Amino acid sequence: DGGITQSPKYLFRKEGQNVTLSCEQNLNHDAMYWYRQDPGQGLRLIYYSQIVNDFQKGDIAEGYSVSREKKESFPLTVTSAQKNPTAFYLCASRFITRGGYTEAFFGQGTRLTVV
Amino acid sequence: QKEVEQDPGPLSVPEGAIVSLNCTYSNSAFQYFMWYRQYSRKGPELLMYTYSSGNKEDGRFTAQVDKSSKYISLFIRDSQPSDSATYLCAMGEGSSNTGKLIFGQGTTLQVKP
Repeated sequence: DGGITQSPKYLFRKEGQNVTLSCEQNLNHDAMYWYRQDPGQGLRLIYYSQIVNDFQKGDIAEGYSVSREKKESFPLTVTSAQKNPTAFYLCASRFITRGGYTEAFFGQGTRLTVV
Repeated sequence: QKEVEQDPGPLSVPEGAIVSLNCTYSNSAFQYFMWYRQYSRKGPELLMYTYSSGNKEDGRFTAQVDKSSKYISLFIRDSQPSDSATYLCAMGEGSSNTGKLIFGQGTTLQVKP
């Protein structure tokens, strides 16, 4: 059963803690993305990666970190430097072809709440 | 100015109406255009994907792209209450690009029975 799996579905973080959100895909996709969604807003790009061991900052990378050690995995760490981390986090992936990029598919999201 | 602009709505229509959702963009390098549907507290679901100007139809959905005007639309015919959701447009640059995929703010649609 192919797809993108995000875990956990709900996550609670105390002030000053780092937390890591998991994103795994078995679609053999090349590129992977992390987005943040706040209530009533669209998706804002945090980080993205086109190949293993390489990634680029998106529009709101401050306070976040990522790694891409395996093609199928792209974990996101929300650090204590992120001052307002409560949000819905979405992971996506897609193929890179000779002609460019294909459509992106999403996981079901992780809802992070600071307590 | 945002790269992608989308009216957040909300948009409320009666069942059976034709719905028109729109996005404008400023980056002429955008070559790929997608529409997603997102139900509350769920991940976005891909509805339509196109990379050329003109119309693309899939069932009750039609995606329209006008690259000269930097304007894309999604039409929903015979709208149903189950179509009530947030609709997001997304765009990406061509093959010699960074791989970024940029989203609009999303339009909330309510279809009333």
